[in-house]
This record gives sequence, C-alpha cells and structure tokens, in this order.
Amino acid sequence: KQEVTQIPAALSVPEGENLVLNCSFTDSAIYNLQWFRQDPGKGLTSLLLIQSSQREQTSGRLNASLDKSSGRSTLYIAASQPGDSATYLCAASESYIKAAGNKLTFGGGTRVLVKP
Amino acid sequence: EAQVTQNPRYLITVTGKKLTVTCSQNMNHEYMSWYRQDPGLGLRQIYYSMNVEVTDKGDVPEGYKVSRKEKRNFPLILESPSPNQTSLYFCASSTTGGGTDTQYFGPGTRLTVL
Repeated sequence: KQEVTQIPAALSVPEGENLVLNCSFTDSAIYNLQWFRQDPGKGLTSLLLIQSSQREQTSGRLNASLDKSSGRSTLYIAASQPGDSATYLCAASESYIKAAGNKLTFGGGTRVLVKP
Repeated sequence: EAQVTQNPRYLITVTGKKLTVTCSQNMNHEYMSWYRQDPGLGLRQIYYSMNVEVTDKGDVPEGYKVSRKEKRNFPLILESPSPNQTSLYFCASSTTGGGTDTQYFGPGTRLTVL
C-alpha cells in the first residue's frame, strides 16, 4: 500500500528566502506526482504535475523534481513571498490492477508561513 | 470558467438524517472522485467513477453511496450519517482515469454530524 510522507509538518521562513518542501513515497510504481496548495477553508489548487517519465517540472517561481528510484519529490519555491503562505500537499497517483484509476495518495502536508 | 462545484459548502445535520452533497464539473471529464480530509489522517478517497454508470470503492467507502447518471454530476449520499462522518469533503475530476491527468478539486464541503 502506497504511503506518502511530508516532513516537516510546518515551516516558517522570512520573506525572500527559498523554500524547499520534501515528499517521500514508498511505492515507485506511480504514474505521476502532483503538488497542491491548500489555503484555509478552501479547496486544493494544482501547482505542478510530474509524469513518471519526467524528472522535473517548472512553473514560474515553482520547480518540482521527481526521483522515482529513491521515492522522493521536492518542491522548490524561489524568493518566497507572504502570499506563498499556505499548506502544500503532495500526492502520488497510481493505477489499480486492471481498471486504471486515478486515485491519489496524499501526504499530510507542510504548512508554510512566510513572514514579511 | 472551468470548475468543479460542490453544494452545500457547509452543512450541520443530526445523526440518521439522510443527506446528499452534490458535485458538478463543466469540463466534460470522465473521471470523478470523492475524498474526505481529517486532521492527522490527510485526504482519503471514498469513491471514484471512471465514467457514466461506472463507480467503485476507494479506501473508506463505508457509510457512503454515490451515483453517476450523468457525466457532469457525481453526488455523494450519506443515507444515515453518523458523527464519525464529520469531515471536510472534496470532489475531484480529471479528463480520464488513466493516471496522467491533472486533477481538479472543488472548494470543499464542511459537514458536521451531531
């Protein structure tokens, strides 16, 4: 059974510092790995999706890497801003036996606070 | 605007009173699913649907029912809610269930069962 872990559970940094968020998963047979942002009382916003054949994806100040062999993904946020304060969740996608299913197994999240 | 909508956003009810949480997407997605989010347990999948009239259990299906009569709608039904179903519920959809697509989440429904 897939297990996804995010450490640390919370992180506080001063504005302008680069953020490094870690995600580890136990089963490397994934189709993709997604990073989400969740703001208090709101839904999940997809940030980046890395296919299993890719090693990284970039969008603006965000960069996510994937190392399937070691079961790790890292989300980098450059030059953090107070507006980046949120909870960041990683999720590993996997396929069921024959009937492919896009089930996501989520990590517990890292709560980020960027101080002005 | 492409989106997943859920209703209601907030609901307080009592044990045993049947309720339905609606989910609708306007992106013509084939795959839809329901998750619940609980402190310390994260998000866990309840049910999913690969297409119209095709549904299957996720990790925590007990106490829930779903239906998929139309492509855009995927309601979550609690026939006899209990306090342990107090949670934050999310509906999600993606183009297919093939494992390569971004999933889009609704805004969430916060349910309290007294």
